[in-house]
Amino acid sequence: NAGVTQTPKFQVLKTGQSMTLQCAQDMNHNSMYWYRQDPGMGLRLIYYSASEGTTDKGEVPNGYNVSRLNKREFSLRLESAAPSQTSVYFCASRGLAYNEQFFGPGTRLTVL
Amino acid sequence: GNSVTQMEGPVTLSEEAFLTINCTYTATGYPSLFWYVQYPGEGLQLLLKATKADDKGSNKGFEATYRKETTSFHLEKGSVQVSDSAVYFCALSVTKSGGSNYKLTFGKGTLLTVNP
Repeated sequence: NAGVTQTPKFQVLKTGQSMTLQCAQDMNHNSMYWYRQDPGMGLRLIYYSASEGTTDKGEVPNGYNVSRLNKREFSLRLESAAPSQTSVYFCASRGLAYNEQFFGPGTRLTVL
Repeated sequence: GNSVTQMEGPVTLSEEAFLTINCTYTATGYPSLFWYVQYPGEGLQLLLKATKADDKGSNKGFEATYRKETTSFHLEKGSVQVSDSAVYFCALSVTKSGGSNYKLTFGKGTLLTVNP
């Protein structure tokens, strides 16, 4: 049982390049989330998907798009990367009881 | 809106010392409360949770009690170990009307370092 998996683990981009961060969960959860973690800021919600076929903006959606490909997979896309998007990105899925969330290992992204 | 305030770190302790990390919250409705732990280079792991007032969550020697009267959920451990060195996050979630869209609101995290 892998839980929540993310790829890639590390990525370096140049300003203006695009990329997609992949996330998958094997726990049959309905809700999935993308966060970014920056020093001194805690975790901030970028986008979430309450169920397959729906997505909604979180606190910091600008510069990002998401796709809920199916129940298992939720991807995050940076269309034109900027240095301000240098961060650690975490994907999570929500359990069926008590709203607890399960996190992936993270993607460490640097934009030069 | 919902918010979580936790004590700023870093916190540095010697092995076997007593740990308290304070967490207070504001929320509309009745939140569930969580403590997550993040070890270096890893994602967040759920440490413990409490879903209603006066509940005590516990795991791995850590405890926290949901205090509605003081809107607090302080994390405690009687005797810390070097392996407890990590960042600890307090978080809450509140069910919106209609029962959907469960989002977590996090505190900014507290870095704990335990020295041998």
